[in-house]
Amino acid sequence: GESVGLHLPTLSVQEGDNSIINCAYSNSASDYFIWYKQESGKGPQFIIDIRSNMDKRQGQRVTVLLNKTVKHLSLQIAATQPGDSAVYFCAERDDKIIFGKGTRLHILP
Amino acid sequence: EAQVTQNPRYLITVTGKKLTVTCSQNMNHEYMSWYRQDPGLGLRQIYYSMNVEVTDKGDVPEGYKVSRKEKRNFPLILESPSPNQTSLYFCASSLGHNNSPLHFGNGTRLTVT
Repeated sequence: GESVGLHLPTLSVQEGDNSIINCAYSNSASDYFIWYKQESGKGPQFIIDIRSNMDKRQGQRVTVLLNKTVKHLSLQIAATQPGDSAVYFCAERDDKIIFGKGTRLHILP
Repeated sequence: EAQVTQNPRYLITVTGKKLTVTCSQNMNHEYMSWYRQDPGLGLRQIYYSMNVEVTDKGDVPEGYKVSRKEKRNFPLILESPSPNQTSLYFCASSLGHNNSPLHFGNGTRLTVT
């Protein structure tokens, strides 16, 4: 069946380093992808999205890369800060939206 | 401020006592949806609505009802709650149903004893 998954449930990164969070999806018909950040006690917060006609999109300190050949999505966070500590999950949306289970990002001092 | 508002944030109830969790959005979004989030299972869709008076079952609709009488409101109703409905619930909305991001509320933590 369809699935959206992340490679690692937990990722620890030194403060100031760049973080890369990965996601694999299985539905090659999906044409819209989203990254969310969920902090403790809060709802998922939209970070950045990308459509299937693009392979890269940049926001403020974040970049999303889409590789449709291998059905892989990644989120890069530049100069990781303590406030980036959260669970990050990807989602793909066609007629239905499918969420991955998330990667918890720990920031090491 | 554009937002999705859920109430209550926390609710403890007993088995069988009907409850309603309200959800309201002020972004004039057509699409609204309810999810439950459980450890190890991620976000699972309960019900969704493409527009006023249009609702459909998601992946885990059993034990839940919804209504969409107005565009801004999408309440979740548990007619006879059971302990397996103890969970963290999120309401979300989006402009369209396929190429726009969902905006989430801050969640309702429900405990059914």
